[in-house]
Amino acid sequence: QVQLQESGPGLVKPSETLSLTCTISADSFTNYYWSWIRQPPGKGLEWIGYIYYSGSTNYNPSLKSRVTISLDTSKNQFSLKLSSVTAADTAFYYCARDKLKLGELDYWGQGTLVTVSS
Amino acid sequence: QSVLTQPPSASGTPGQRVTISCSGSSSNIGSNYVYWYQQLPGTAPKLLICRNNQRPSGVPDRFSGSKSGTSASLAISGLRSEDEAAYYCAAWDDNLSGQVVFGGGTKLTVL
Repeated sequence: QVQLQESGPGLVKPSETLSLTCTISADSFTNYYWSWIRQPPGKGLEWIGYIYYSGSTNYNPSLKSRVTISLDTSKNQFSLKLSSVTAADTAFYYCARDKLKLGELDYWGQGTLVTVSS
Repeated sequence: QSVLTQPPSASGTPGQRVTISCSGSSSNIGSNYVYWYQQLPGTAPKLLICRNNQRPSGVPDRFSGSKSGTSASLAISGLRSEDEAAYYCAAWDDNLSGQVVFGGGTKLTVL
């Protein structure tokens, strides 16, 4: 059974960097795409990006200039950094495992709400 | 504005069959698998249908998916009260460097 758990600050000030970590309880990182998805309260889902176990990444073009996803296999974690945040970045942030890179998100974390406010 | 288009709402009575549509383009649905997610209130989304029409282990056979050209549909038969949720379609989009795109979501109400 694969379990994912997001952690990080629930409140970030405008213009600062949002940082979240996803801890994975799984036998292996290999051959999967470890992804971040967000959802503004009451709204739909938005894909942020993924990191492959090899370290290669792919980001949503609309967020690409502000996003970094990294992987720490020694800690069974991967992380999200989103810079220069505004109120529009207020959302539930989910980490998830993508089996094929094509949107097959078969395991999700419970999600964490990050509010951008001064 | 979502890349994939879904109706914002749908409804049905217990026992009925309900379908939810998802419309895209040649760069996403037209050339890649479609996925469906169910999001119960206050919870994370759950993979409901994968690879157009496959049900992951544990998903009841009341749920089925189909795809034709640049459109896809999710059908729920024998509607139950616990099916009341938001449903999202998703697909890989080949434009630019590629990305996962979602529909805007359909809120299903069981009357």
